[in-house]
Amino acid sequence: AQTVTQSQPEMSVQEAETVTLSCTYDTSESDYYLFWYKQPPSRQMILVIRQEAYKQQNATENRFSVNFQKAAKSFSLKISDSQLGDAAMYFCAYRSAFTGNQFYFGTGTSLTVIP
Amino acid sequence: DTGVSQDPRHKITKRGQNVTFRCDPISEHNRLYWYRQTLGQGPEFLTYFQNEAQLEKSRLLSDRFSAERPKGSFSTLEIQRTEQGDSAMYLCASSLSSTGWEKLFFGSGTQLSVL
Repeated sequence: AQTVTQSQPEMSVQEAETVTLSCTYDTSESDYYLFWYKQPPSRQMILVIRQEAYKQQNATENRFSVNFQKAAKSFSLKISDSQLGDAAMYFCAYRSAFTGNQFYFGTGTSLTVIP
Repeated sequence: DTGVSQDPRHKITKRGQNVTFRCDPISEHNRLYWYRQTLGQGPEFLTYFQNEAQLEKSRLLSDRFSAERPKGSFSTLEIQRTEQGDSAMYLCASSLSSTGWEKLFFGSGTQLSVL
């Protein structure tokens, strides 16, 4: 099974500043999909951003962008102009393009936004 | 509310009792997933349905767990003879199948406490 590693259990950022959350994964597959999900204190997880492995261009969604390094198997999330509403648990997830339908999640990073 | 709904939000039970959780996915979604999340961990895959067919089941899922999705609509997850190790948040997610670009919509979860 694929493994997803988030090495930062907790991160904090000043409001309006930029923060980067790290994610690495282990796979032998050539094609796959990567996701960042956000889980606010209300517990409902929502999709933040997603990336296809065969696309070299990094995905961007408003203030959220990723740095996808396929060779290094790294998929970090950058949040620019951090807002109080960004405070949440952030989970990195992997899904194979070939085998099964499982999403493999990391252990999460708890982001605190300091006013 | 047209999102994924789960019932109940909280369940406290005694060891050895049976419990059943319900998930109502977004109406047009044909895929439905069950995940389990313990404190400090990311969601762990349990099982997956495409319409009414249960297509994949985690090898970690013991025989005490069973899930159904009659008529491809709502789904139930039953745990028989609960154990303290079953205490966790049980998350349901649904999606509309597409090649790889599958976006999961999560419910708020059912928090199970086994005493």
